[in-house]
Amino acid sequence: NAGVMQNPRHLVRRRGQEARLRCSPMKGHSHVYWYRQLPEEGLKFMVYLQKENIIDESGMPKERFSAEFPKEGPSILRIQQVVRGDSAAYFCASSLTGPDTQYFGPGTRLTVL
Amino acid sequence: KNEVEQSPQNLTAQEGEFITINCSYSVGISALHWLQQHPGGGIVSLFMLSSGKKKHGRLIATINIQEKHSSLHITASHPRDSAVYICAVAGGTGNQFYFGTGTSLTVIP
Repeated sequence: NAGVMQNPRHLVRRRGQEARLRCSPMKGHSHVYWYRQLPEEGLKFMVYLQKENIIDESGMPKERFSAEFPKEGPSILRIQQVVRGDSAAYFCASSLTGPDTQYFGPGTRLTVL
Repeated sequence: KNEVEQSPQNLTAQEGEFITINCSYSVGISALHWLQQHPGGGIVSLFMLSSGKKKHGRLIATINIQEKHSSLHITASHPRDSAVYICAVAGGTGNQFYFGTGTSLTVIP
């Protein structure tokens, strides 16, 4: 049973471009969480999704950021018109039945030039 | 003030020492998690607690709901335990997670 997969592992974008980060949860997990870790800072919750539903997006910036978890395929975190301040490690985690033990992916490190 | 406070921020220990990392929180919670983040950045979930005590190998986690406090203990520490240990709490509704800033542990051979 493969763990949580994230791709790409490293992503470089220029200011103004779009970044798409993908997260494939563990098999059978229908709960996905996205977190952001800014340089020298702790993890921050961004959004909690279940299949086809956003459950809690209170940690997501109001503009430029969006997330989805379609019926088929991975969860996607999309950042439009990236700025240098978006440079961070983005982790997703999945769980079986809600906010219980979460399994983390390896993260995507986004660098905005 | 952060919802989750950890201490110490940095900790250096000799191999074999008993280590304690503390976590205090100020929100109502449904569960508390201890996470380990290795230098390469990967995160592993060590424990999820809602009451009492859990043990896994050399790791022990305790939680006191009344005092809003949890501790992570490592017995017979080893250099491979060197990592950042992060306390996270799931808020009352369970959806929102709050993270401590982490405790950076270095175990010297």
